[in-house]
Amino acid sequence: NAGVTQTPKFRVLKTGQSMTLLCAQDMNHEYMYWYRQDPGMGLRLIHYSVGEGTTAKGEVPDGYNVSRLKKQNFLLGLESAAPSQTSVYFCASRPQGGGYNEQFFGPGTRLTVL
Amino acid sequence: GDSVTQMEGPVTLSEEAFLTINCTYTATGYPSLFWYVQYPGEGLQLLLKATKADDKGSNKGFEATYRKETTSFHLEKGSVQVSDSAVYFCALKFPDSNYQLIWGAGTKLIIKP
Repeated sequence: NAGVTQTPKFRVLKTGQSMTLLCAQDMNHEYMYWYRQDPGMGLRLIHYSVGEGTTAKGEVPDGYNVSRLKKQNFLLGLESAAPSQTSVYFCASRPQGGGYNEQFFGPGTRLTVL
Repeated sequence: GDSVTQMEGPVTLSEEAFLTINCTYTATGYPSLFWYVQYPGEGLQLLLKATKADDKGSNKGFEATYRKETTSFHLEKGSVQVSDSAVYFCALKFPDSNYQLIWGAGTKLIIKP
């Protein structure tokens, strides 16, 4: 199993450009998440999904859109990139169920917006 | 609001030294507490957890005890190795929140041989 994979690993954008980050998981997990990680701050949840075809806003959703057309994929889009979106982006997934189920993380995408 | 505070890094130790990384939280209820670890170039992975007061989580020689009276969940290891060099994140989750963890800022640990 590859676990959670993210594409691309690095990207540099100019202000106003758009891009899509791809997250894929092969563990048949129901829940998927997109986080951003900034220096001196913990991870902040951007959007999440509780199943195929569903998405919901997290803590910092502005400037991002997501789609979950297939259970195994969760896409994060930036329509018009801004320097404030320079960050490391992590995708995570976890199985459905009560209590606490461990989140499994991808290796991250480092995005720089000039 | 609910929050997690970790000691600032980097923390630099020599191999075989004793490690403590402090984590305290502010919460209105009784959350579950977690430590995640991020090795260089990798995503985060769960290291250990505790779901109620006085629980002790342990894994790979690391331990943390859920202290309700001091709202703390400090991470400890008796003898660190170079391979423990990583960033460590403390986090909390409430039972009625299925989706969101509240994260500390992370503490970078550097172990020198």
